[in-house]
Amino acid sequence: NAGVTQTPKFRVLKTGQSMTLLCAQDMNHEYMYWYRQDPGMGLRLIHYSVGEGTTAKGEVPDGYNVSRLKKQNFLLGLESAAPSQTSVYFCASSYPGDSPGANTGELFFGEGSRLTVL
Amino acid sequence: KQEVTQIPAALSVPEGENLVLNCSFTDSAIYNLQWFRQDPGKGLTSLLLIQSSQREQTSGRLNASLDKSSGRSTLYIAASQPGDSATYLCAVQEMNTGFQKLVFGTGTRLLVSP
Repeated sequence: NAGVTQTPKFRVLKTGQSMTLLCAQDMNHEYMYWYRQDPGMGLRLIHYSVGEGTTAKGEVPDGYNVSRLKKQNFLLGLESAAPSQTSVYFCASSYPGDSPGANTGELFFGEGSRLTVL
Repeated sequence: KQEVTQIPAALSVPEGENLVLNCSFTDSAIYNLQWFRQDPGKGLTSLLLIQSSQREQTSGRLNASLDKSSGRSTLYIAASQPGDSATYLCAVQEMNTGFQKLVFGTGTRLLVSP
C-alpha cells in the first residue's frame, strides 16, 4: 500500500521556469491538499480539492495552480517560478467517505518535494 | 484567525526521561487535534488524533490530552528513546470549513541523547 506518493522529490529551477508536482494517492480519498513548509512558519495550505474536478484556494495560493482531473491525482503547477517559492511541498489526502467509522479526519502525507528556485 | 503555538521550540533530554510537549490554540471551535512526527527530510506521520469530544488518546508510550476550553493539548512521551528524536507537530482541524483543513504549529524539535 503506497499511500501518498509525490514526484519529483527534488527539483532545481531557474526564475521564470515552469514545473508541475504530481501527487497520487491509492486510498480512494475524496480530499487532497497541497501544503508548503518553510522554516519558522509551519505548514501553510496552498490549494485543496474536495473531489474529482474541484479545486479551491487555501491560505497562500498566489503563483500556483492546481488540477484534479482524476480522483487519485492532484497536480500543483508553478507557471513562472520565483525564489520565494523555494520550499518543501507536501501533498496530503483524507476523507474516505461517509461509511460509519471511516471518516476520522486523519490526514495522510506524502514524503515531500524539495524545490529550489535560483 | 486560528493560531497554533508549540512550546518549547526545541528540547534536549537524556534517554529514559519522561517528557511533555505543549500545544496551544486560540479558537476552541475545533473538530479534532492531531499530533504528527516529522523526521528530517521526510513527510509527516500521524501519531494521535483526538476528536473534540475526547479528552485523551494513547498509543504505546505516547499519550495526548486535549482541554478544548483552555485551548491546550499535551503530548506525553514516556521513557524516551533516541529513536524518538524528531520534530513533533500539532495541528487543529477547524469546524465549519466544509473540508478538513488543518492549522499547524511550528513544531517542537526533540533530541533524545543516549
